[in-house]
Amino acid sequence: QKEVEQDPGPLSVPEGAIVSLNCTYSNSAFQYFMWYRQYSRKGPELLMYTYSSGNKEDGRFTAQVDKSSKYISLFIRDSQPSDSATYLCAMSVGPPGNQFYFGTGTSLTVIP
Amino acid sequence: DVKVTQSSRYLVKRTGEKVFLECVQDMDHENMFWYRQDPGLGLRLIYFSYDVKMKEKGDIPEGYSVSREKKERFSLILESASTNQTSMYLCASSHDRGSGYTFGSGTRLTVV
Repeated sequence: QKEVEQDPGPLSVPEGAIVSLNCTYSNSAFQYFMWYRQYSRKGPELLMYTYSSGNKEDGRFTAQVDKSSKYISLFIRDSQPSDSATYLCAMSVGPPGNQFYFGTGTSLTVIP
Repeated sequence: DVKVTQSSRYLVKRTGEKVFLECVQDMDHENMFWYRQDPGLGLRLIYFSYDVKMKEKGDIPEGYSVSREKKERFSLILESASTNQTSMYLCASSHDRGSGYTFGSGTRLTVV
């Protein structure tokens, strides 16, 4: 069983839709949770970073962590064509400098 | 902004060649990482380093070695390139105090 599971998609939504991206994990010791966005032929860029359970909001993006269910989500409100990218979840046990475990990524296309 | 610079965006090498991939970061990060990214497999950790002159094997170190002679530079070496090492290689760095990884733009290596 992989440490982190993520539905690869692809996911295609109309502009303005609310998008929900999800990951599940098996290691209950994970405490640091991140979402990265990766445009085609580019390196991943950090979108959201949360510690332990709860919600974090940043503009149109909301990250949610449910440690009891070992489930994390990223919500994108009012999706834009510029949100079209692959979204990767990542998590780690120790301080954020330590090794992260990544999901395989979900490909999202927002149609104008 | 933290910058992680990878020396080449695209590289084509022949089977059996020794290949050097260079990565430099400019924010005094302690930790540096090399990943490869393949469709359907996601990011897989090759090697990482928490300090100068130290290295740790990741999940797929076979056929690779690394060098970290200076804090800002982390090199990945393919001792004898093979076609199954054709991939996107991503370098990342992070601070011990947190904030997640910063990735470089990646090197797309093709071994023919």
